[in-house]
Amino acid sequence: QKEVEQNSGPLSVPEGAIASLNCTYSDRGSQSFFWYRQYSGKSPELIMFIYSNGDKEDGRFTAQLNKASQYVSLLIRDSQPSDSATYLCAVSSGTYKYIFGTGTRLKVLA
Amino acid sequence: EAGVAQSPRYKIIEKRQSVAFWCNPISGHATLYWYQQILGQGPKLLIQFQNNGVVDDSQLPKDRFSAERLKGVDSTLKIQPAKLEDSAVYLCASSLAGGTYEQYFGPGTRLTVT
Repeated sequence: QKEVEQNSGPLSVPEGAIASLNCTYSDRGSQSFFWYRQYSGKSPELIMFIYSNGDKEDGRFTAQLNKASQYVSLLIRDSQPSDSATYLCAVSSGTYKYIFGTGTRLKVLA
Repeated sequence: EAGVAQSPRYKIIEKRQSVAFWCNPISGHATLYWYQQILGQGPKLLIQFQNNGVVDDSQLPKDRFSAERLKGVDSTLKIQPAKLEDSAVYLCASSLAGGTYEQYFGPGTRLTVT
């Protein structure tokens, strides 16, 4: 079992719809959870981080964390073509362990 | 605030040659990471420094890869000798402290081994 798993996609959604990206992790001791966006040919950039169970909202983005079920998700409301990118989930289990998933490719169709 | 700097941006070498990459993290960031990202995959951690000490190099192919972080600031990653499968983007990232902090990535170095 991979430590951080994501569906590679592509996930295709129409413009204006909600895109839902999911990530599961294996280490129950994981403490910090991050979503990065990576445009083709570019470096990852942080979108959101979440530490506690529940929802965290920032503009059109909402991160959801459920530690009991060991999953974290990212919702993108009112998806735009400019949101088309690969979304990487990263999980930290402590001071030094930081693991990325393989990413989900999102395509927002105009 | 200046971001993470990396050089060169692109490098083409023949197999069995050597290559070195340089990274300058954000000022004040204690933790520095080197990742290898193969096309279509997520970043794979090669080595992590906390100040100038190594805290994780479990996935670094030590027979050909080496890295150092002098004085806890700049870092270099070296490959010698290079193999075809080393073709990838090498990303440097830094964070304020350890894993609970977000990472900031440099622009990466695209390596092609022919």
